[in-house]
Amino acid sequence: AAGVIQSPRHLIKEKRETATLKCYPIPRHDTVYWYQQGPGQDPQFLISFYEKMQSDKGSIPDRFSAQQFSDYHSELNMSSLELGDSALYFCASSRTEDRVVGGYTFGSGTRLTVV
Amino acid sequence: DQQVKQNSPSLSVQEGRISILNCDYTNSMFDYFLWYKKYPAEGPTFLISISSIKDKNEDGRFTVFLNKSAKHLSLHIVPSQPGDSAVYFCAASENSGTYKYIFGTGTRLKVLA
Repeated sequence: AAGVIQSPRHLIKEKRETATLKCYPIPRHDTVYWYQQGPGQDPQFLISFYEKMQSDKGSIPDRFSAQQFSDYHSELNMSSLELGDSALYFCASSRTEDRVVGGYTFGSGTRLTVV
Repeated sequence: DQQVKQNSPSLSVQEGRISILNCDYTNSMFDYFLWYKKYPAEGPTFLISISSIKDKNEDGRFTVFLNKSAKHLSLHIVPSQPGDSAVYFCAASENSGTYKYIFGTGTRLKVLA
């Protein structure tokens, strides 16, 4: 079965550079979520999109932006990178009607390292 | 303010015994709860869920118990196997908005052979 695809798996950037993370949700899933997991921390909700519209926003810095495209893939853009942005970034997708079945499906994550 | 808490950062259990992972929450609007399992370098994998209208849900070796009055849920794994060694996150969501899940801090389970 198709899963949530994230690219790249690993990314190394220097401070003040820009990074773009991509997420390809499971087909027919209507919602995409982005989470950030720092070392030894729980995943923190960043932002979500429902049917290509931003639906919710969490603790996402102003330096970050995201969008969902017509093909439902989503991109998380991060500018002026800081050392503290080093983390695992997970994308998840779900179908609203499946909420009571099993939450959502996560991708394998992108490990961003800012040096 | 951590709305979902897992107070035990780690747990070690002998193979074949029961593993009990605990989770507490503060938001009384949460009505749906999940447990995820996470291996290093992989995304969290859904394990089992429970809605607030139930107090127990069972799936094979995994059982989740919900005590709404205490705002507490637990995951029981019986019998524990070495392959169960991973970090376990509980997550909760409200029946509104985008159903985003709030995660606990995780418990690292180690099952000893």
